Amino acid sequence: NAGVTQTPKFQVLKTGQSMTLQCAQDMNHNSMYWYRQDPGMGLRLIYYSASEGTTDKGEVPNGYNVSRLNKREFSLRLESAAPSQTSVYFCASSEHQMNTEAFFGQGTRLTVV
Amino acid sequence: TQLLEQSPQFLSIQEGENLTVYCNSSSVFSSLQWYRQEPGEGPVLLVTVVTGGEVKKLKRLTFQFGDARKDSSLHITAAQPGDTGLYLCAGEGSNFGNEKLTFGTGTRLTIIP
Repeated sequence: NAGVTQTPKFQVLKTGQSMTLQCAQDMNHNSMYWYRQDPGMGLRLIYYSASEGTTDKGEVPNGYNVSRLNKREFSLRLESAAPSQTSVYFCASSEHQMNTEAFFGQGTRLTVV
Repeated sequence: TQLLEQSPQFLSIQEGENLTVYCNSSSVFSSLQWYRQEPGEGPVLLVTVVTGGEVKKLKRLTFQFGDARKDSSLHITAAQPGDTGLYLCAGEGSNFGNEKLTFGTGTRLTIIP
């Protein structure tokens, strides 16, 4: 089983450029999440999708958009990248929102210069 | 925002020693999870505690959920180099519609051989 697959693994963007981070899971999970991880701040939720067809803002949604393309795929888009968006991004999925294990991808290290 | 503070932020100890890390909040959580993250990887679930006062053991790791479900601790006995990693607690909100996971700030543990 591949679990949660994120692409790309590394990316360097110039300020103002746009890009989409892709995420797919093969576990038939209902819920999917995008987090960013910065030193000393743990994981902060950007957006989540409790089920196919729904998306909601998390703790730090500004500057990002998401699409739950189908049950498997949940993409994160940066329309106009800023240096403050330099971070490691993790996609995760879980069977449901409540009281279930979250499975994480390997992360995307994004640098905005 | 439900904040989870972990302490200490960094901990470096000799192999064979015991240690405890803490996860504290002013909010009540319906459950609390502990994850371990290794460099270049996403977090991996270690345990979920659900009931106030609950204690779970995973080999040399002992996890406890506070009676009021606001805090948790992780105790490692006779630490091994393989225990090295970033330990993250994550609380699930107790209010309907706020069940998503909130991650703590993390404890970076280094076990010196």
